[in-house]
Amino acid sequence: DAKTTQPTSMDCAEGRAANLPCNHSTISGNEYVYWYRQIHSQGPQYIIHGLKNNETNEMASLIITEDRKSSTLILPHATLRDTAVYYCIVRVFGNQFYFGTGTSLTVIP
Amino acid sequence: EAGVAQSPRYKIIEKRQSVAFWCNPISGHATLYWYQQILGQGPKLLIQFQNNGVVDDSQLPKDRFSAERLKGVDSTLKIQPAKLEDSAVYLCASSSGRGNYGYTFGSGTRLTVV
Repeated sequence: DAKTTQPTSMDCAEGRAANLPCNHSTISGNEYVYWYRQIHSQGPQYIIHGLKNNETNEMASLIITEDRKSSTLILPHATLRDTAVYYCIVRVFGNQFYFGTGTSLTVIP
Repeated sequence: EAGVAQSPRYKIIEKRQSVAFWCNPISGHATLYWYQQILGQGPKLLIQFQNNGVVDDSQLPKDRFSAERLKGVDSTLKIQPAKLEDSAVYLCASSSGRGNYGYTFGSGTRLTVV
């Protein structure tokens, strides 16, 4: 599975949109982009995934560039409860998930 | 649906002692995973089960770690003897294998080896 690159940490003001970038320049055509988050003292939680098209659910939006070499996870109105480590993972369906070190997002009151 | 259950939540042992962790996956999930998460790092896969068979244990330190899923439902991960570097959170996850929504994780067991 392709490797991803994420910033180590980010801050976001409460109520503003949090935009978390991820680079996956070596992604192959059958690899999906997944986002998980891990709140302190909990296991990782699935957020969203996509292949080519932008995706939205009740938690977040996923924007994938046309060349698929990068993506952005958007939390439209960040709350203090969104403070967590966010992992971007690329994965072929059926393969295992390999986690990097992720982005530590801090939502500031 | 009930989530992935893990116990104990915390465990402190001395080096060279043995320890066991238990996981009960979501009902009907055929695939079960054990991950190790060292402080400041992302989770690392130790072993994957499909029903009661091992699919991948290539990253399991087999000289001291063992895992089983005898009836294809709950699973136990054991460390014997423990080393200081085994201090970590041990996460269990399960998936149905259908759809593409990934895994559901438990809250983990935090192991401290002193």
